[in-house]
Amino acid sequence: QKEVEQNSGPLSVPEGAIASLNCTYSDRGSQSFFWYRQYSGKSPELIMSIYSNGDKEDGRFTAQLNKASQYVSLLIRDSQPSDSATYLCAVYNAGNNRKLIWGLGTSLAVNP
Amino acid sequence: DAGITQSPRHKVTETGTPVTLRCHQTENHRYMYWYRQDPGHGLRLIHYSYGVKDTDKGEVSDGYSVSRSKTEDFLLTLESATSSQTSVYFCAISESTGGDQPQHFGDGTRLSIL
Repeated sequence: QKEVEQNSGPLSVPEGAIASLNCTYSDRGSQSFFWYRQYSGKSPELIMSIYSNGDKEDGRFTAQLNKASQYVSLLIRDSQPSDSATYLCAVYNAGNNRKLIWGLGTSLAVNP
Repeated sequence: DAGITQSPRHKVTETGTPVTLRCHQTENHRYMYWYRQDPGHGLRLIHYSYGVKDTDKGEVSDGYSVSRSKTEDFLLTLESATSSQTSVYFCAISESTGGDQPQHFGDGTRLSIL
């Protein structure tokens, strides 16, 4: 059973701090990695995609991928109360019938 | 934002009745997906489509059927709704199967089966 694991949280950080969200995956052949943000009662919204080892930055968000250790992380700098949401990690492997494997998500609370 | 419309947005119905949910896209994407999301289970794939009239099962397809007669429309049908199918249903689309193109989601349908 291919899996994607995330700490369910809640992860609580003060406003202005760095929030670090982690995701591990079991299938070593996974190729593409996605972070989605989901506000309560809303649909998932893509915030980052990463395909190769290293860091990818987009504004206050940085995704980090380490395929050797089979983890992908999301850093949110200068966290704002509006970042309070559940963050979903999704992993793609072409050999897995071309379907995304989803983590259960990490709940983030940014406290003013 | 991706042009994805789900209808209805909310529905309450009774056990044993048929229910059809509609997903309409204006992006001309080839791939469309139906998920359900439940506490403790996350997003689970019900069915997906890789083209007109081309569909396949996901991990929780029992009790559901789908149809895609046009690129822009993907229908999900519960033939005889059960209380276990009470959930939030999301439609998603992508240009490819996700290798280099992520999925984008509609706003969801909240379905309650009484």
